[in-house]
Amino acid sequence: AQTVTQSQPEMSVQEAETVTLSCTYDTSESDYYLFWYKQPPSRQMILVIRQEAYKQQNATENRFSVNFQKAAKSFSLKISDSQLGDAAMYFCAYRSKGAQKLVFGQGTRLTINP
Amino acid sequence: GAVVSQHPSRVICKSGTSVKIECRSLDFQATTMFWYRQFPKKSLMLMATSNEGSKATYEQGVEKDKFLINHASLTLSTLTVTSAHPEDSSFYICSATEGAGGPSTDTQYFGPGTRLTVL
Repeated sequence: AQTVTQSQPEMSVQEAETVTLSCTYDTSESDYYLFWYKQPPSRQMILVIRQEAYKQQNATENRFSVNFQKAAKSFSLKISDSQLGDAAMYFCAYRSKGAQKLVFGQGTRLTINP
Repeated sequence: GAVVSQHPSRVICKSGTSVKIECRSLDFQATTMFWYRQFPKKSLMLMATSNEGSKATYEQGVEKDKFLINHASLTLSTLTVTSAHPEDSSFYICSATEGAGGPSTDTQYFGPGTRLTVL
């Protein structure tokens, strides 16, 4: 079974700085999807970014980008120019190509210091 | 696009009563919906997967008779917590994916969650 590991329970960063959240996963599959979701204090899960495993190019959404290292099974999220509104729990998730379920990591709580 | 709503956002009930939570996809047809439970400061725990028109598939350890899931239409799924007890108090979240061929088939979109408190 696939597993997703977020080794950083908490991270903090100064406003306007850059922070990287780590995520590793374990799978024997070659085709799959990876996601980062944000859960702010409102607890609404918001999709931040998604990556398809067969695409070598790292996904980017404005200030959010990923470093996808398929061989290393690593999928880190970089947040540039951190803003106060970025404070949230961030969950990394894996989905097999042929499956419906998401496998979530434990989450990383990100604090933005003004 | 890809908005999912949940109702109610908060519910308080007495022990022994049943509570129904609705999950709706507002701007797409959700052939598959998911129900999660989240404990404070924890990750999401998948309870069940429901496909429109068929019985839900429950995760191991989730009581089917206690957590009744119905996915009667392409835009609505309901979770009914039957004979609720204080230990059922939690945050329940639904999500949905679009049918095959749609732009959102590989991405789950989440509702805002429902906080259930059982007294």
